[in-house]
Amino acid sequence: DTEVTQTPKHLVMGMTNKKSLKCEQHMGHRAMYWYKQKAKKPPELMFVYSYEKLSINESVPSRFSPECPNSSLLNLHLHALQPEDSALYLCASSESLGNPADEQYFGPGTRLTVT
Amino acid sequence: AQTVTQSQPEMSVQEAETVTLSCTYDTSESNYYLFWYKQPPSRQMILVIRQEAYKQQNATENRFSVNFQKAAKSFSLKISDSQLGDTAMYFCAFMKPPNNDMRFGAGTRLTVKP
Repeated sequence: DTEVTQTPKHLVMGMTNKKSLKCEQHMGHRAMYWYKQKAKKPPELMFVYSYEKLSINESVPSRFSPECPNSSLLNLHLHALQPEDSALYLCASSESLGNPADEQYFGPGTRLTVT
Repeated sequence: AQTVTQSQPEMSVQEAETVTLSCTYDTSESNYYLFWYKQPPSRQMILVIRQEAYKQQNATENRFSVNFQKAAKSFSLKISDSQLGDTAMYFCAFMKPPNNDMRFGAGTRLTVKP
């Protein structure tokens, strides 16, 4: 099973809402990633988790709050977002951070619209 | 900071022909990794090919090969015998250890025409 799943596929939320994005993998990978991809732009790294610990936070605003409750699951909690946060949010996983040549497996993404 | 440049926003190729996508990068690191990822329309991003900077031999994966010129900081992707399923956005990416901080280029939209 080389699949990374993300739910929901689409999300529309108001600026005062609180919502969460979910990512799951069952490949035994110990590194997980959140990327943000604006329309017609490349993905931009947001967070990296290694063995359930936050390894990289690319100066992401605090209205985005990641959580890694176990090695298979990665959440992104959203609160008080702005319309400019509308984007495709991609999750990825790889075996570990120890070997950068490891392939990152990407999920299909959650398309978020903030109204 | 590392930057990745893809100078061809869009390209097209006839089915069965060969096409080369360009990528250059800027880094002062000596140990790094380079990747080409493919993102088909409304589908998941998948790895096409990877290259370790310390390896002189160019990577190949079936119809996909790279021309890695370390001194010139160039990493182009050649697709041979193009197929309709190769139509996608192609991203060149740079990654350095230890945190697997991956940086993508702006992408090249490739269309394979029948």
